[in-house]
Amino acid sequence: EVQLVESGGKLIQPGGSLRLSCAASGFGFHDYWMAWVRQAPGKGLEWVANIKQDGSEKYYVNSVAGRFTISRDYAKTLLFLQMNSLRVEDTAVYYCATFCGGDCRSREYFQHWGQGTLVIVSS
Amino acid sequence: QTVVTQEPSLTVSPGGTVTLTCASSTGVVTSGHYPNWFQQKPGQAPRALIYSTTQKHPWTPARFSGSLLGGKAALTLSGVQPEDEAAYHCLVYYGGTWVFGGGTKLTVL
Repeated sequence: EVQLVESGGKLIQPGGSLRLSCAASGFGFHDYWMAWVRQAPGKGLEWVANIKQDGSEKYYVNSVAGRFTISRDYAKTLLFLQMNSLRVEDTAVYYCATFCGGDCRSREYFQHWGQGTLVIVSS
Repeated sequence: QTVVTQEPSLTVSPGGTVTLTCASSTGVVTSGHYPNWFQQKPGQAPRALIYSTTQKHPWTPARFSGSLLGGKAALTLSGVQPEDEAAYHCLVYYGGTWVFGGGTKLTVL
């Protein structure tokens, strides 16, 4: 069974930094692109970032580029999101998800999701 | 800034049929945008339903189907069940970026 368990969310002041983690199990972590998606309270979903299997390619939504960094630890099957210079508008539930498998040819995006971790940016 | 637009809310009777759509600010949605659809119930994570316009995941109920309709991506529910009450999100690919629509809140009443 695929399991994705996020952690690290908390209340933090604007301008602060936070690192989110996602523990992955139950599937071939090395075979998947991975991603972060967020959802502001009462709003829709927003793709944040994704990372290729070997970490050689990373993509970010414009609003977080230069502030957030996605990374992964293959040995521990962990996914990370380092968030710097946090803004009030970054307040959201952050979901870890499998982005796609292999070369993504099937275009099966975000097939599996964690339960999310809440980040609140407020003074 | 590309915007993907969905109906904010729709209501359907149990056993009925409803079509949700997904439009792009850049123009016609095509198969090359690989539209995906997700279902999300209150307090839960999203669940993948449809990928690459029409393809179903093993767990997707047969009553859900995806298509292109009038220049938009579409999700049709036939024989709606009470448990289908949820928010539905579409996702569109734009060459290195992936944009979700604002979501449609489907009420079964």
